[in-house]
Amino acid sequence: RKEVEQDPGPFNVPEGATVAFNCTYSNSASQSFFWYRQDCRKEPKLLMSVYSSGNEDGRFTAQLNRASQYISLLIRDSKLSDSATYLCVVNDRYNNNDMRFGAGTRLTVKP
Amino acid sequence: EAQVTQNPRYLITVTGKKLTVTCSQNMNHEYMSWYRQDPGLGLRQIYYSMNVEVTDKGDVPEGYKVSRKEKRNFPLILESPSPNQTSLYFCASSLHVSAGQGGSPLHFGNGTRLTVT
Repeated sequence: RKEVEQDPGPFNVPEGATVAFNCTYSNSASQSFFWYRQDCRKEPKLLMSVYSSGNEDGRFTAQLNRASQYISLLIRDSKLSDSATYLCVVNDRYNNNDMRFGAGTRLTVKP
Repeated sequence: EAQVTQNPRYLITVTGKKLTVTCSQNMNHEYMSWYRQDPGLGLRQIYYSMNVEVTDKGDVPEGYKVSRKEKRNFPLILESPSPNQTSLYFCASSLHVSAGQGGSPLHFGNGTRLTVT
């Protein structure tokens, strides 16, 4: 079983739609959680951290469910520019060398 | 501009021919790391460095070497490349080792696509 699992997609949605991705992780002791965005053939970039109480950044909402060991990312009012691969990242401790990356979920937003 | 710079962006080489991929950051970051990204597998850590002269193995270190003689540079060395090292490689850095909530996110270089024939 992979340490961090994501549905690879692709998710194809129309502009303005709401779309949600889930990510499950295997280590119940994992400490910190992130969503990164990766455009085609480019480097990953931090989208947002995921806090225990859930957090929102504009159209993006991230939530953590420790009991079920998953994190989610909700994108509201999808834009064409949201088309990318979204990487779920789980950190077993608070050190960067313990980060575990999911393989990513691909999103395409269509006009 | 704050950035992580990798070179080259693309490299095609033959089995056994030693190569080096350079990585440099201008943000005075303590932590640097190398990853490889393969389809369906996500990023896997090759080596990391917590500071100058401090390096350690990640999850997939076989066939790679690194050095950290200066804070800004962290080259990745393939002494004898093999076809299974064909991959997309990313260098990353962060201010500190800690990546906890509110801590130091990873900044990635723009990648090196390596093909070994």
